[in-house]
Amino acid sequence: GQQLNQSPQSMFIQEGEDVSMNCTSSSIFNTWLWYKQDPGEGPVLLIALYKAGELTSNGRLTAQFGITRKDSFLNISASIPSDVGIYFCAGHAPNSGGSNYKLTFGKGTLLTVNP
Amino acid sequence: GAVVSQHPSWVICKSGTSVKIECRSLDFQATTMFWYRQFPKQSLMLMATSNEGSKATYEQGVEKDKFLINHASLTLSTLTVTSAHPEDSSFYICSASRTGSFQPQHFGDGTRLSIL
Repeated sequence: GQQLNQSPQSMFIQEGEDVSMNCTSSSIFNTWLWYKQDPGEGPVLLIALYKAGELTSNGRLTAQFGITRKDSFLNISASIPSDVGIYFCAGHAPNSGGSNYKLTFGKGTLLTVNP
Repeated sequence: GAVVSQHPSWVICKSGTSVKIECRSLDFQATTMFWYRQFPKQSLMLMATSNEGSKATYEQGVEKDKFLINHASLTLSTLTVTSAHPEDSSFYICSASRTGSFQPQHFGDGTRLSIL
């Protein structure tokens, strides 16, 4: 099946720094989604991308859908302590259609922000 | 918004007990809901896709008789872990998506299941 390679696996940064993480795949995706998961909770949708080349912002977060449809990045500017958590990329592959629309997930990036 | 409610948030029970977990979409109709299992420090593992009014589609390696799924309405899906054993202890998360092509999934807050 299709896989998403997410990097880095973990990051330790100082408050105020900018952060960048990305996901790549050997095959194309129709959508790219970025989620954040806090401990003991379900993932929360941060940004959804639907078109190749699309660049979307949500507050301090910016994400882009790669032009080749095989990659996406998420940037967080001016990090704050509450940005701590696990960030997952996910995407809909072209063959996941029908009525199911299953998502493929990356393995996550654990972000730690030191105050 | 797109709010998904999952209940209970945690449950502890004895081995051999059956446990039911509910997943509700509160402000939208969800033709399709998904059930995931997550082990510590790992990504989400899809267990099954729940389709309203029809049988669930299980991923390879997931026992359908062990994990019973019912999606009786457009806002409710249930997962029942039958005759649970300690190895079934895990974090179970549901998600729901609006009807339509490639809609994002919105997740519940998960259920921590501990089998003694």
